[in-house]
Amino acid sequence: AQSVAQPEDQVNVAEGNPLTVKCTYSVSGNPYLFWYVQYPNRGLQFLLKYITGDNLVKGSYGFEAEFNKSQTSFHLKKPSALVSDSALYFCAVMNYGGSQGNLIFGKGTKLSVKP
Amino acid sequence: DTEVTQTPKHLVMGMTNKKSLKCEQHMGHRAMYWYKQKAKKPPELMFVYSYEKLSINESVPSRFSPECPNSSLLNLHLHALQPEDSALYLCASSQVGPLLISGNTIYFGEGSWLTVV
Repeated sequence: AQSVAQPEDQVNVAEGNPLTVKCTYSVSGNPYLFWYVQYPNRGLQFLLKYITGDNLVKGSYGFEAEFNKSQTSFHLKKPSALVSDSALYFCAVMNYGGSQGNLIFGKGTKLSVKP
Repeated sequence: DTEVTQTPKHLVMGMTNKKSLKCEQHMGHRAMYWYKQKAKKPPELMFVYSYEKLSINESVPSRFSPECPNSSLLNLHLHALQPEDSALYLCASSQVGPLLISGNTIYFGEGSWLTVV
C-alpha cells in the first residue's frame, strides 16, 4: 500500500531563514509524489510534484523539493521563508490504478514563520 | 487561482434536509473527485469519476450521493446527514491518462464548508 509520513506536526522558522518540511514515503513501484499547501479556511493549492527525472523539483512561490530514493524522502524546502508562507503543508503520493490515480495524504505539517 | 469552482462556500443544514454541493471545472479534465476534510486533518477520498462514470467509491455512506451530469460538473447530494458529517468538502479534477504523459496533477477547489445541525 502507498503511504507518506510527515514526522513533524509543526515547524517554526524565523523569517528569512531556510525552511524544510519533511516527508518520507512507502510505495510499491515508482513513487509519484506531490506537495500541497492549505492556507487557513482555504482549499488545497498544488506546489510541486515528482514524477520522474531530475531529483530537485522546483515549484510555486519559490519552493523546491528533493527526491531521495535511497532515503525514501521528498522534503520540501525554501531558501528564505516569508511570514506569508505560514500554512498547513501536505505531502501526498499518487495511488495509481487504471487510467487515473488519487492522492493519499500525509497528516500535514503546520509551518509557522515568525517575523 | 484555482479553476475548480465550488458552491456554496458555506452550507448549514438540518439532519432531515436535502441539499447539494456543486463543482465545476473548465480545464477539460475528465476525472473529478470528492474529498472530505475534517479540521486539521488530511483530506480523505470519497468518490472518483472518470469519463463521467463512477470509478471509485471509498465505502461512503449512502446519505452521500454523487452525480456527474457532464464532463464539467460534479454534484454531491446530501440527505439525512449526521452532525459528524460536518466538514470541508473538496472537489478536485485532473486529466485522465498514463501518468507520465498527462502528469495527472489533481487540482482542488476552495471547498464547501458543511455544518449539520
